[in-house]
Amino acid sequence: KQEVTQIPAALSVPEGENLVLNCSFTDSAIYNLQWFRQDPGKGLTSLLLIQSSQREQTSGRLNASLDKSSGRSTLYIAASQPGDSATYLCAVSSGFQKLVFGTGTRLLVSP
Amino acid sequence: DTGVSQDPRHKITKRGQNVTFRCDPISEHNRLYWYRQTLGQGPEFLTYFQNEAQLEKSRLLSDRFSAERPKGSFSTLEIQRTEQGDSAMYLCASSSDRAGNQPQHFGDGTRLSIL
Repeated sequence: KQEVTQIPAALSVPEGENLVLNCSFTDSAIYNLQWFRQDPGKGLTSLLLIQSSQREQTSGRLNASLDKSSGRSTLYIAASQPGDSATYLCAVSSGFQKLVFGTGTRLLVSP
Repeated sequence: DTGVSQDPRHKITKRGQNVTFRCDPISEHNRLYWYRQTLGQGPEFLTYFQNEAQLEKSRLLSDRFSAERPKGSFSTLEIQRTEQGDSAMYLCASSSDRAGNQPQHFGDGTRLSIL
């Protein structure tokens, strides 16, 4: 059974810092890995999708990497801003593209 | 592209009542998913449709739960004889089956509170 773990559970940084969120998964037989952002009381916003054959994806200040063999992914956020404050969720696709999620990292960026 | 729409946004009901939620996916998406999220946890998969066919159901989906997607467009999720443990956010997502892996796009969810 696929299990996804995210570390740290919570992170508080001052504005402008670069930061890294970690995600690990137990079964390397994945189709893809997706990073999401969730604001309080809201649904999920897709940030980046990395296919199993890819090593990384970039979008603006976000960069996600994937090491399938070791079961790890990282989300790098450059020059963090208060508007980046949210919960970040990592999810892997296992069969029919259903997603298995981690419990998320709560990020607070202080002005 | 108007995004995934879910209705209602909030539902408060007494234990034992039946509730039904609706999801309208992005129009060209033929895959539709339901997830459930409790406080402090990541979403958990409930069920998946390809067009109108329900292809996978989680063990989380007890016999009190039923989902339909009658014409391959919108979907409904019904919970019968609700229990306190059903209190959660119910999220719907959709995706396309175009070539290559396609991201799932989520709605804002329906928050269910059982009194």
